Amino acid sequence: DAGITQSPRHKVTETGTPVTLRCHQTENHRYMYWYRQDPGHGLRLIHYSYGVKDTDKGEVSDGYSVSRSKTEDFLLTLESATSSQTSVYFCAIAGQGVEAFFGQGTRLTVV
Amino acid sequence: GESVGLHLPTLSVQEGDNSIINCAYSNSASDYFIWYKQESGKGPQFIIDIRSNMDKRQGQRVTVLLNKTVKHLSLQIAATQPGDSAVYFCAENILPKDDKLIFGTGTRLQVFP
Repeated sequence: DAGITQSPRHKVTETGTPVTLRCHQTENHRYMYWYRQDPGHGLRLIHYSYGVKDTDKGEVSDGYSVSRSKTEDFLLTLESATSSQTSVYFCAIAGQGVEAFFGQGTRLTVV
Repeated sequence: GESVGLHLPTLSVQEGDNSIINCAYSNSASDYFIWYKQESGKGPQFIIDIRSNMDKRQGQRVTVLLNKTVKHLSLQIAATQPGDSAVYFCAENILPKDDKLIFGTGTRLQVFP
């Protein structure tokens, strides 16, 4: 899958706990994205990165933070998980002006 | 604001027929469009893309049409097969100013024998 790995693939966590999802790429692509996918909403952009330490907010960034300390890793953190953050999270990578490739997704359940 | 939408949430077609999935976008500055296919339990997979300086692009059994005048995008699948059953998303991007890739809600394509 275009050298992109998400971890963990599944996670169940309790409300109020911090959670970090990891996206790792081996393609040396500049751009990395975090999306969440919910029924009836399609894919919504949470945050994206256009380089090491360069990130920006997407459509639904509240309650999420990201970090990119090196090209290959893009971390998504839920500082204090809420039930509304139960979702499937997808990471994507892209070069300049070309299509994005997606990971297999992380299913997060907040109970 | 930026938005990408789809006219039909579910499309049912008979095997062998042609399928047409439509998408409307609202940002006239968008200059790059992509169609993705997502099968159950998997991440979206790239199908075909088109840039704003084109109005048609063909791939293997798929054709994307872009009408900038009415901000409309369509995906045509020829001789639809059971393996084409999936959810299809269109996405738009504004280059080089902004590399955010914004998706619509998706259309489910169901192929019946």
